[in-house]
Amino acid sequence: AIQLTQSPSSLSASVGDRVTITCRASQGISSALAWYQQKPGKAPKLLIYDASTLESGVPSRFSGSGSGTDFTLTISSLQPEDFATYYCQQFNSYPLITFGQGTRLEIK
Amino acid sequence: QVQLEQSGAEVKKPGSSVKVSCKASGGTFSNYAIGWVRQAPGQGLEWMGGIIPIFGTTHYAQKFQGRVTITTDESTSTAYMDLSSLRSEDTAVYYCARGLYLVGATPFDYWGQGTLVTVSS
Repeated sequence: AIQLTQSPSSLSASVGDRVTITCRASQGISSALAWYQQKPGKAPKLLIYDASTLESGVPSRFSGSGSGTDFTLTISSLQPEDFATYYCQQFNSYPLITFGQGTRLEIK
Repeated sequence: QVQLEQSGAEVKKPGSSVKVSCKASGGTFSNYAIGWVRQAPGQGLEWMGGIIPIFGTTHYAQKFQGRVTITTDESTSTAYMDLSSLRSEDTAVYYCARGLYLVGATPFDYWGQGTLVTVSS
């Protein structure tokens, strides 16, 4: 089964900072990776799919890159509303779909 | 505007079953995959399985094989997730979500509001 490992598990940053979160797959998944943002008590929100495609309506400060086993989510200039937990998800192969363990982004 | 409206919170006894519904509006129900994802308190996201109504195909995570059944009623644009033999570890918020692609393995672009299922004696 493909496992996804996110790093860091938690991160403190300030408004305006550039932040990068990484997601490593236990085996190659081509570009079958998505990123989600989740705020407390809310459903996840799709940010990026196919590793680098920005979902409609998502601010352009969010970007994704990578292929194979190593992926990154970058927020170019943190805004107050970006403090949340971020998850990566692979959808390449059996067991079809798995999620990373999450990265909690907190205000410094 | 696509919306997924889930049924309300449930409290269940260990060993019983729960059935959560997810009613879709604002899109053509049959043309999208529906997945179910759960989140235990303070934990991450866990995919349980999904269904593609137009093909009638289902996919389940190995962990839930034999315990989960996902179905749809196209006449009401509603998907259902039935989880049996409940134990305390099944206490979680259960989400339905619409697949971006018409395949079993897909990212999800629209999500329901979540249904809290509490398993307690």
